[in-house]
Amino acid sequence: NAGVMQNPRHLVRRRGQEARLRCSPMKGHSHVYWYRQLPEEGLKFMVYLQKENIIDESGMPKERFSAEFPKEGPSILRIQQVVRGDSAAYFCASSSAGGVTPYEQYFGPGTRLTVT
Amino acid sequence: GIQVEQSPPDLILQEGANSTLRCNFSDSVNNLQWFHQNPWGQLINLFYIPSGTKQNGRLSATTVATERYSLLYISSSQTTDSGVYFCAVADDYKLSFGAGTTVTVRA
Repeated sequence: NAGVMQNPRHLVRRRGQEARLRCSPMKGHSHVYWYRQLPEEGLKFMVYLQKENIIDESGMPKERFSAEFPKEGPSILRIQQVVRGDSAAYFCASSSAGGVTPYEQYFGPGTRLTVT
Repeated sequence: GIQVEQSPPDLILQEGANSTLRCNFSDSVNNLQWFHQNPWGQLINLFYIPSGTKQNGRLSATTVATERYSLLYISSSQTTDSGVYFCAVADDYKLSFGAGTTVTVRA
């Protein structure tokens, strides 16, 4: 029973390049969340998606960041024109739609983005 | 958003010792989770415990929702317990994390 999968695990980008982070939820989960862990700010919510829908993107920076969860394939977090301040660990989590523990979230191993 | 405070911020233990970590939160919640972030940075689910008491091996947790706090107990600590322990809460799906308790277990 595979858990949440993220790739790549480590990503190095130069300033101005694009970063694409991928997340495949646990089997049977249809809800995906992205969180960012900055060194001095802790873990913060970014966005919540269901298949083909963005439910809540209140934690996403207004510019350069976007997320999607298409009908087929993994969820993608895209960061355009990266800057050094984007260097962080990005975690994806997934949950089921209901059941005994609705919204219990399981986290992937994270993608560590370094911007040089 | 819901404010989450964890204490103590740092904890150094001798192998075999017991410890208690605390999480206070500012509002009513319907989701409370404890995580262990290991030295490799991975977040490991420990408990989903918006109320009540659960046990899993040497770990146990209690949440008193009416008083807005949760406790995580580590018994007979081992070096592999080292890492950062996070409490996260939500009144819906948006988890708010505490700053964590960094636990170091010495052999």
